[in-house]
Amino acid sequence: QKEVEQNSGPLSVPEGAIASLNCTYSDRGSQSFFWYRQYSGKSPELIMSIYSNGDKEDGRFTAQLNKASQYVSLLIRDSQPSDSATYLCAVKGNFNKFYFGSGTKLNVKP
Amino acid sequence: KAGVTQTPRYLIKTRGQQVTLSCSPISGHRSVSWYQQTPGQGLQFLFEYFSETQRNKGNFPGRFSGRQFSNSRSEMNVSTLELGDSALYLCASSLARNPGAGEQYFGPGTRLTVT
Repeated sequence: QKEVEQNSGPLSVPEGAIASLNCTYSDRGSQSFFWYRQYSGKSPELIMSIYSNGDKEDGRFTAQLNKASQYVSLLIRDSQPSDSATYLCAVKGNFNKFYFGSGTKLNVKP
Repeated sequence: KAGVTQTPRYLIKTRGQQVTLSCSPISGHRSVSWYQQTPGQGLQFLFEYFSETQRNKGNFPGRFSGRQFSNSRSEMNVSTLELGDSALYLCASSLARNPGAGEQYFGPGTRLTVT
């Protein structure tokens, strides 16, 4: 079992819709959770961090964390074609190591 | 504030050679982590340095090593290169003193091709 699991996609949504990206993790003791966006040929860019249960909003992005279910999600409201990228979920788990999911590719269609 | 810089950006090496990659973190950041990214394995953690000390290591063979200097700049070395070492090598810096938290910011990466 991988430490962090993501659906590889692609997830296709129309422009203006809400994109919902999901991630599960295996280490129940994990405390820090992050979402990164990676455009093709570029390095990952930090979008959000979340440390406690509940929702955290930043502009069009909302991160949701449920530690009991070991589940993290990222919602992108009013999706734009420029949001088309691969979204990586990262978890800081046991022994303080970062684990990354394989990423979900998002396509936002104009 | 300048971001994380990595040099060189592209590198072509032959099997059996060794390579050294360099990373300069964001000013004030003392934690530097290295990752290998391949299409098949995704992003995999190599090691983390903080204040010139390696405080975390991933599951890579001993051919992969690193170090950090007093100015927080870091180098990563791969000896006896294999074809499977072809990858994008990413460096990330963090402000956090506590390894249990802290947001990481990535550099542009070094694309290594081993022939």
